[in-house]
Amino acid sequence: EAGVAQSPRYKIIEKRQSVAFWCNPISGHATLYWYQQILGQGPKLLIQFQNNGVVDDSQLPKDRFSAERLKGVDSTLKIQPAKLEDSAVYLCASRPSPSQRGTHNEQFFGPGTRLTVL
Amino acid sequence: DQQVKQNSPSLSVQEGRISILNCDYTNSMFDYFLWYKKYPAEGPTFLISISSIKDKNEDGRFTVFLNKSAKHLSLHIVPSQPGDSAVYFCAADFTGTASKLTFGTGTRLQVTL
Repeated sequence: EAGVAQSPRYKIIEKRQSVAFWCNPISGHATLYWYQQILGQGPKLLIQFQNNGVVDDSQLPKDRFSAERLKGVDSTLKIQPAKLEDSAVYLCASRPSPSQRGTHNEQFFGPGTRLTVL
Repeated sequence: DQQVKQNSPSLSVQEGRISILNCDYTNSMFDYFLWYKKYPAEGPTFLISISSIKDKNEDGRFTVFLNKSAKHLSLHIVPSQPGDSAVYFCAADFTGTASKLTFGTGTRLQVTL
């Protein structure tokens, strides 16, 4: 079974520029998450999708961040314009629906995109 | 407000000995706890979990203990191996439709020869 795919793996931009990240979850996983992990901290949830609907975006800085999951499969996260403090690893995760889930309740993470804002 | 805390940023253990990683939480509504392991340049990978109805869960060399009254959980790795060297994140969850993980800040484990 293929894992969660993310691209690009690395991105360097200057402040005030725009950037977009792409995520393709594990096939059939209904729930998709975007996390921000700043150096020295744990991942922080930005947004959660259930199929193509937003479940929770309470911690998404909506003045500059946006995300979509058209057709309920892959997803993009955009930052426009970027700030220095957005430098972080952006992780995408997916989770099967309750009917698919085994005894565990875990999320499956992609490798992340490391963003550096100069 | 840090709801999940890992107060030890790093831990060094000799190969073959026991590694004990600790985690504290403040929100009594959490009912499911997970440990993830992260290698550099990779995403976190699931290691072991425990429901709040249990106080212990074991999987091979890994055991997680939960003390609900103290709002504390720990991960024991016995025996520790060099390949266990990684950053370990504790995460807490609410099961059901409200599920979303809250992570601690991580503990870097170094297993020395």
